Amino acid sequence: AQSVTQLGSHVSVSEGALVLLRCNYSSSVPPYLFWYVQYPNQGLQLLLKYTTGATLVKGINGFEAEFKKSETSFHLTKPSAHMSDAAEYFCAVRISGGSYIPTFGRGTSLIVHP
Amino acid sequence: NAGVTQTPKFQVLKTGQSMTLQCAQDMNHEYMSWYRQDPGMGLRLIHYSVGAGITDQGEVPNGYNVSRSTTEDFPLRLLSAAPSQTSVYFCASSYTRGDTQYFGPGTRLTVL
Repeated sequence: AQSVTQLGSHVSVSEGALVLLRCNYSSSVPPYLFWYVQYPNQGLQLLLKYTTGATLVKGINGFEAEFKKSETSFHLTKPSAHMSDAAEYFCAVRISGGSYIPTFGRGTSLIVHP
Repeated sequence: NAGVTQTPKFQVLKTGQSMTLQCAQDMNHEYMSWYRQDPGMGLRLIHYSVGAGITDQGEVPNGYNVSRSTTEDFPLRLLSAAPSQTSVYFCASSYTRGDTQYFGPGTRLTVL
């Protein structure tokens, strides 16, 4: 079975500070990994994804994530937070060759202070 | 392209009433899903479809029905609404297995 754990339901940073949102997964086979962002009162949209190849993945709005197989992690980072980054972030995993259905984490709310 | 559209945006029901949440996509995607989002619970899969005429249950299917008569449409039916079904419902579609999912704007449902 696959599962996703997002550490911290809320993360608070100051504008200009580093953003680090943590995601750990469990999967017995190589996974596909996704980060989605949800702005208030909107649907989710893809930030970035890892399928195969380069383990450092760059996404939109300056975000990036690194797939670390040994740590079963896919943490999301951004060097400098902006007020507009305040949103809910979801990590999702789906195993390659298996079910189409991705499993979502419970989400992390990013709060950005001026 | 309109992408994934959902109607209505808001709905209030009384316990026991039935209704259909509409979802449509114009991207010719084979795969479509319905999720519910509750505070602290993330997204939980209700039902999904891998093509017209093919549907299957997800993690929380009880109290909901779906059908997929066309590639474009994937309606979600609440048979007899209960307060536990108060939630925000999202429809999503993707072109292939495991590919990026495109989400609709959501329907906020309150059951009194």
